[in-house]
Amino acid sequence: AQRVTQPEKLLSVFKGAPVELKCNYSYSGSPELFWYVQYSRQRLQLLLRHISRESIKGFTADLNKGETSFHLKKPFAQEEDSAMYYCALTTVSNTGKLIFGQGTTLQVKP
Amino acid sequence: DADVTQTPRNRITKTGKRIMLECSQTKGHDRMYWYRQDPGLGLRLIYYSFDVKDINKGEISDGYSVSRQAQAKFSLSLESAIPNQTALYFCATSDKDGIGPQHFGDGTRLSIL
Repeated sequence: AQRVTQPEKLLSVFKGAPVELKCNYSYSGSPELFWYVQYSRQRLQLLLRHISRESIKGFTADLNKGETSFHLKKPFAQEEDSAMYYCALTTVSNTGKLIFGQGTTLQVKP
Repeated sequence: DADVTQTPRNRITKTGKRIMLECSQTKGHDRMYWYRQDPGLGLRLIYYSFDVKDINKGEISDGYSVSRQAQAKFSLSLESAIPNQTALYFCATSDKDGIGPQHFGDGTRLSIL
C-alpha cells in the first residue's frame, strides 16, 4: 500500500539554523510528491512539487528514489517559516487522490 | 481570484444531529475532495468526486455522505453526528488530470458535544 511517513511531529530550531523536515514514502512506481504548508489559522497551500525542481521561500526538496525520500530543506530558517508542513504523494493509479503524511510542526525560535 | 469556499467556518452541535458542510469553487475544476484533519493523523480522505455524476469513497467514509450538486458544489453530510467526528474538515479541488496539486478551502472546524 502507498504510504507517506513524516517521522517528526515537532521540529524546533533557532532562527538562522538549517532545517530538514523528513518525508519517506512507500510506492514501487513513480510517484508525484508535494510539500504543503499550513500557517497558523490558514488554509493548506502548496509549497513545492518535485517535478518543478524549484525553490520556494528558500525551501528545496529532492526526490531520492533509492531511499524513497523527499526531505524538505532550508539552509537558514526564519521565524515566519513556523508552520505545519505536510508531505503528500499521488500517482497515476491514484487518479489524483493525495496521500498525506502525519505532518510536522516546525517551530523557529528567535 | 478563483477560490474554494467552505461554509460554515465553525460549527458546534450535539450528538445525533444532522449536519451539512458546504463547499463551492470558482476554479472551474472537475475534481473535488473532502478531507478531515486530526492532530497526529494528518489529512485523511473522506469522499471524492471527479465530476457531477461520479462519487467515490475515500479512506474514512463511514458515517459520512456527500452530494455533488453541480460542478462547483460538493457538500458533506454527517447524518447523525458523534463526538469522534469532531475535527477540522477541508474541501479541495484539482483539475481534470488529477496529478497536479490540490487547492484547499479555509476549513470548517466542527465540534460535536
